[in-house]
Amino acid sequence: NAGVTQTPKFQVLKTGQSMTLQCAQDMNHEYMSWYRQDPGMGLRLIHYSVGAGITDQGEVPNGYNVSRSTTEDFPLRLLSAAPSQTSVYFCASSPGSSSYNEQFFGPGTRLTVL
Amino acid sequence: RKEVEQDPGPFNVPEGATVAFNCTYSNSASQSFFWYRQDCRKEPKLLMSVYSSGNEDGRFTAQLNRASQYISLLIRDSKLSDSATYLCVVSGNYGQNFVFGPGTRLSVLP
Repeated sequence: NAGVTQTPKFQVLKTGQSMTLQCAQDMNHEYMSWYRQDPGMGLRLIHYSVGAGITDQGEVPNGYNVSRSTTEDFPLRLLSAAPSQTSVYFCASSPGSSSYNEQFFGPGTRLTVL
Repeated sequence: RKEVEQDPGPFNVPEGATVAFNCTYSNSASQSFFWYRQDCRKEPKLLMSVYSSGNEDGRFTAQLNRASQYISLLIRDSKLSDSATYLCVVSGNYGQNFVFGPGTRLSVLP
């Protein structure tokens, strides 16, 4: 199993550009989520999904869209990039609804918005 | 007040030392508790779940005090390879909405 994969690893955007961060998992996990990590702030939840066709907002959803058309894929779209979105983005998945389920993280995407 | 707070760190300790990390959480409805480890420029990985009765995994011991809303992690006989940032994580029902603390960085020195 590849686990959770993310592409690209690095990206530089100009203000106002749009892009999609890709996330895929091959573990048949129902639950997937996107976080951003900024220095001193910890990981903050952007959006999450409890299954195909179902998404919901996390703590910091503004400026981001998600969709979940398949169990495997959970892309994150930046609609109009802003310098405040410069961050490291992690995608994670876990097996399901048990509150003790481990989250498995992808390697992250380092995004810089100029 | 942040939902999950941790010792600010960094902690610099010699090999073989015992080090303890503290974490407090504000949401009394939190159901699940974890410690994750994050190496520099890498993704977080689960170190251990924290159970109400406390639990141990080799050199690592985790404790939970629900009344005080406090979680701890004790590392005994520190190794160089323990150098990392340790993240305290809490979640509500159904494992959704995991909330991460800011992390405490540990450097184990030779």
